[in-house]
Amino acid sequence: EVQLVESGGGLVQPGGSLRLSCAASGFTFSSYWVHWVRQAPGKGLVWVSYINSDGSTTRYADSVKGRFTISRDNAKNTLYLQMNSLRVEDTAVYYCARGASGTPNDYWGQGTLVTVSS
Amino acid sequence: DIVMTQSPDSLAVSLGERATVNCKSSQSVLYSSNNKNYLAWYQQKPGQPPKLLISWASTRESGVPDRFSGSGSGTDFTLTISSLQAEDVAVYYCHQYYSTPRTFGQGTKLEIK
Repeated sequence: EVQLVESGGGLVQPGGSLRLSCAASGFTFSSYWVHWVRQAPGKGLVWVSYINSDGSTTRYADSVKGRFTISRDNAKNTLYLQMNSLRVEDTAVYYCARGASGTPNDYWGQGTLVTVSS
Repeated sequence: DIVMTQSPDSLAVSLGERATVNCKSSQSVLYSSNNKNYLAWYQQKPGQPPKLLISWASTRESGVPDRFSGSGSGTDFTLTISSLQAEDVAVYYCHQYYSTPRTFGQGTKLEIK
């Protein structure tokens, strides 16, 4: 069974940092691209970032470029999102989702809530 | 960026009746080399992650009831639920995976009338 389990969310002050993790199981993690998608409370889905299967290619939404860094450890079947210089508007549930090049995200984790507030 | 616009924002339909959600993209998501539309539909229930219902505009995912269907091409797409069931109450999103950044529609909230 494919599983994606996010962790690392919490309350952080504006300007602070947080690192999210996404542990994958039930599939060959190293063969898939993985994405981060976020959802602010009561709002819609917004794509944040992706990383390709071997980690050589990453892309970011303009809203997080230069502040967030996506990475992966294929030996540990884990995806990461390092979030620096956090802003109030980064408050959201962050989902990791599996997806290959040119395919939709077919499996999603349950999400982890990040709250940026003073 | 490709902007995805859904209509309506909310919809109330009686049980057993048809529900239709529309999605328009600001540019075509049809890839000419393979004639595939890079358009998906997701269902999201409260407190849950999105669930992929339909990919390539009209291909139902395994296990998705056949009352769900997708149609359209290029820039105009439709999700149809042929006979609404109580468990279909959710927010539905269209999503383009044609280009980066991947984008979603704003969502359509489906309720029972």
